Amino acid sequence: GAGVSQSPRYKVAKRGQDVALRCDPISGHVSLFWYQQALGQGPEFLTYFQNEAQLDKSGLPSDRFFAERPEGSVSTLKIQRTQQEDSAVYLCASSANRGLGNQPQHFGDGTRLSIL
Amino acid sequence: RKEVEQDPGPFNVPEGATVAFNCTYSNSASQSFFWYRQDCRKEPKLLMSVYSSGNEDGRFTAQLNRASQYISLLIRDSKLSDSATYLCVVNSPTTDSWGKLQFGAGTQVVVTP
Repeated sequence: GAGVSQSPRYKVAKRGQDVALRCDPISGHVSLFWYQQALGQGPEFLTYFQNEAQLDKSGLPSDRFFAERPEGSVSTLKIQRTQQEDSAVYLCASSANRGLGNQPQHFGDGTRLSIL
Repeated sequence: RKEVEQDPGPFNVPEGATVAFNCTYSNSASQSFFWYRQDCRKEPKLLMSVYSSGNEDGRFTAQLNRASQYISLLIRDSKLSDSATYLCVVNSPTTDSWGKLQFGAGTQVVVTP
């Protein structure tokens, strides 16, 4: 596709529900990243995939957060038993090469998650 | 202490004026530096990379000072469309060398007519 696509754009869930957020990266991009952005803050790293391999999940805040990219393209971020503090914008980014950190990352519009 | 710190602003700038702001980083091993721009309720977009010798891209000039561990962004001849939050981004190497990006909280710039 032309850019990184995320869905849904907005998600409202009740505390305790499970949610799944989808990211469709730019076609052919090897690296995929998930970030969490709270209001008034910069994006905070959650996890990184190189193709289907999850190479770094050190930013996931708890074991309620789980991400996968089974075929090395589309990725899903799942949050189980949501809490109010999970309310944030979840951003997905992709880059063409493996994540050496000097490659520009292209971001999707994000999913705004609100937990009631 | 956060690894990347920025003055949140807002910097209120008359149209046509020059504005400059800095960002400090704590990891002396950081290797790559970027400025991203984020409009309200939109995704971050790469504005420019920052190179050791400093670099320009049109009205935008970025500088890196490794000794003092800060980077700067200068915007000349400000346009109304420059109003946005500018995110300072630093690559912090990890043990497996893939290079995690650390974002500052952003500096808000408001250009006024």
